[in-house]
Amino acid sequence: EPEVTQTPSHQVTQMGQEVILRCVPISNHLYFYWYRQILGQKVEFLVSFYNNEISEKSEIFDDQFSVERPDGSNFTLKIRSTKLEDSAMYFCASRKSRDTINYGYTFGSGTRLTVV
Amino acid sequence: AQTVTQSQPEMSVQEAETVTLSCTYDTSESDYYLFWYKQPPSRQMILVIRQEAYKQQNATENRFSVNFQKAAKSFSLKISDSQLGDAAMYFCAYLGEYGNKLVFGAGTILRVKS
Repeated sequence: EPEVTQTPSHQVTQMGQEVILRCVPISNHLYFYWYRQILGQKVEFLVSFYNNEISEKSEIFDDQFSVERPDGSNFTLKIRSTKLEDSAMYFCASRKSRDTINYGYTFGSGTRLTVV
Repeated sequence: AQTVTQSQPEMSVQEAETVTLSCTYDTSESDYYLFWYKQPPSRQMILVIRQEAYKQQNATENRFSVNFQKAAKSFSLKISDSQLGDAAMYFCAYLGEYGNKLVFGAGTILRVKS
């Protein structure tokens, strides 16, 4: 079964450093998402991406965050200057269509980001 | 804005027994989708079951079934014949009919005792 692949599985970074989280969505999927889960808390929507542009973003997704689909296969989340509170599990997800009846979300395994 | 509430931070069940996890939600939409996701220690989000709001019949997937009460905005998950592998965090989630993003509850940790 096709998978959404996220790398790395765990990243440790110094506060103030830039970090890029990478995702390879399923190849024929058109809608891409990033969600965040701070340890012990609920999963929160960050951003959705379609047709090479952001279609929706949350309040969390401020100017420190950006997303890109640089080469038609990868989907990246960049945090420009990491803060301690950015430490969380970041999930990438994709889906083929917004026809939820027939096409659901597929989540990746997540990248655990630790900011020290 | 839609909200999802899971009032049980933690639940325990004996192996082979049945357990029910609660979820309530708030929305002004008439058509939407509800989901239960399982997150084992590996942290991957795995879809357990889905319910379309326009369907009166409760969804079932093997040992997993839901009790969907649209008027009460309630969406509980029943796990029958619980197995050790069912131990995980379970998230209830909402997606509007034309929505783009999932709205998650806070999660319920399920422990299964042998």
